[in-house]
Amino acid sequence: AQKITQTQPGMFVQEKEAVTLDCTYDTSDPSYGLFWYKQPSSGEMIFLIYQGSYDQQNATEGRYSLNFQKARKSANLVISASQLGDSAMYFCAMREDNTGTASKLTFGTGTRLQVTL
Amino acid sequence: DTGVSQDPRHKITKRGQNVTFRCDPISEHNRLYWYRQTLGQGPEFLTYFQNEAQLEKSRLLSDRFSAERPKGSFSTLEIQRTEQGDSAMYLCASATGGRRNEKLFFGSGTQLSVL
Repeated sequence: AQKITQTQPGMFVQEKEAVTLDCTYDTSDPSYGLFWYKQPSSGEMIFLIYQGSYDQQNATEGRYSLNFQKARKSANLVISASQLGDSAMYFCAMREDNTGTASKLTFGTGTRLQVTL
Repeated sequence: DTGVSQDPRHKITKRGQNVTFRCDPISEHNRLYWYRQTLGQGPEFLTYFQNEAQLEKSRLLSDRFSAERPKGSFSTLEIQRTEQGDSAMYLCASATGGRRNEKLFFGSGTQLSVL
């Protein structure tokens, strides 16, 4: 079974609008971390935001927030006030703490976001 | 902060040839990871170093692949007898922070094309 599922291959959003990128995950490990990365056309993966499974509050980092719904096993990324520079691939990833390796991440297949004028 | 550097950016080779990629992590980071990303997929974990010790290898890493990190600084990833299925982006990342809040800093990757 897929551990990380991103069901939106592509999304469009108008500049200055908010957009939500979906991510659902599957794990039996009670302790895990969820990440979002941005991959522009240059290829590097840029860390955006992190949510621990025991964190009580949803994570926020500037214009990025993570809508964490533990019971639904979802970790959606919300980007507010979209900018043209936000156009990129976005990957959701999970770390299961029983693996023993801190950043052995499992990634989803990504969502390509296109910001339009 | 010079970031994670990978060399070369692109490599085209013929099937059966050996290739080697280099990764220079951020200088104070003692943990280093290699990931592989094929077209249309997210990155997949290959291997992990803490200082010079290779602590974990994925089953994706066949015996044609070898990675080293001499002296705990730069790392190399070698692929022997390349196959067309090895064509992918090879990403290196270095890490800092405690285990729970470890953050990966990725390089721009080496794009390998095997003809």
